[in-house]
Order: sequence, then C-alpha cells, then structure tokens
Amino acid sequence: AQKITQTQPGMFVQEKEAVTLDCTYDTSDPSYGLFWYKQPSSGEMIFLIYQGSYDQQNATEGRYSLNFQKARKSANLVISASQLGDSAMYFCAMSVYSGAGSYQLTFGKGTKLSVIP
Amino acid sequence: KAGVTQTPRYLIKTRGQQVTLSCSPISGHRSVSWYQQTPGQGLQFLFEYFSETQRNKGNFPGRFSGRQFSNSRSEMNVSTLELGDSALYLCASSLETDYEQYFGPGTRLTVT
Repeated sequence: AQKITQTQPGMFVQEKEAVTLDCTYDTSDPSYGLFWYKQPSSGEMIFLIYQGSYDQQNATEGRYSLNFQKARKSANLVISASQLGDSAMYFCAMSVYSGAGSYQLTFGKGTKLSVIP
Repeated sequence: KAGVTQTPRYLIKTRGQQVTLSCSPISGHRSVSWYQQTPGQGLQFLFEYFSETQRNKGNFPGRFSGRQFSNSRSEMNVSTLELGDSALYLCASSLETDYEQYFGPGTRLTVT
C-alpha cells in the first residue's frame, strides 16, 4: 500500500522568504511519480511540480523546486521568494501503477501555508 | 487548451436523494478519475475510467457509481445520500499512459 505523510499541518512564512514543506512517502513499487498540488480556498487543485522516481535531477518549476531524496523517501517542496498569493493548502501526492493501465494518486493530509506581509 | 470542467459547482441535496455530477476532461485526455475530499478523511480515490471502462476503484460503498461516455466525459452518481457524503468531489483527467493528472474546480455537495 502507498502512503504519503505530511507532518506540518500549518506553517507561516514571511513574504519574500523561502519555505520548505515536508513530505515523506512509502511504497514498494520501484516506479512512481511524486507531485505537489496547491489548493486555494476556491477548491481547485493546481499542479505545481512533478518528480519521477528515476529522475536523476531535482525538478524545478519557476519558484518551486522539489528536493528529492530517494534513499530517505522524501520529496520536500521548496518555495522561494514567498508571495501573499502562495497562501493555500499544499498537498503532496504519489502516483503508482495500479494495474490495467491505471495510475492512482495517493494524497497526504496537506499543509496549510500562510504568508505574512 | 481548455481545462477540466465540472458541473454543477455547488449542490445541496437532502438525505435519501440521489445526485449526478459531471466532468468533462481536457481535450485528448481519455482517463478520468474521481476523488472525494472531506475535512476528516482528506482526499480519497473513488474510481477511474478509461475508454468507457472502469479500470480502478477505491474503497467506497456501491452507492457510489460512475460511467464514462464515448467523448470521455464522465459522470458519477451517488444514490441514497447520507450526511457523510457532504464533500468536495474532484475529477481529474490524464493522458492514456501519463502519470500527471489535471484537476477540475470540483463540485461542492452538501447533504442536509
């Protein structure tokens, strides 16, 4: 069974500072994908960044980077230069092959990030 | 390219009624997955459809069902609604063999 753990229910960061959101995962499948999604109060899940289990380099997308440490089974999200619009829930998720051509996402409980002016 | 659309966005139903939610995937995406999000249980996988066939199913009672049409649009149905079915229902679409799933804005269902 797959499991995602996000140990920080809530975090505060000062505007323009960097922040790291923690995520650890557990799977016995050697092939998997790791995702981070942002969910504003409106409810829509916004894709931020993706890291494949065989990717050698850490993924980056603008101000977002994923600190992938495979041996430690961690996939932390780093947001640089925080902005007020970054205030939202952040979910770490893992996708593994579940058979019959299907990939299933397993989500963590989320971290609520609040950016302080 | 248009994103995933879900209708309706908000819904209020009474216990015992049934409800149907609709999801239109991104053009070209053939896989549609449904998720339920509640404050207590978080995000939970309901089921996934591809080419009108259910390929995967989460651990939900038979009151939750779905289907997919030939144009990849999907519907999910919940019969005999319970108070605990109040949730945000999210659908996501993806390419046939791609990991990435793109989410719609969700349908917020309230059962009274």
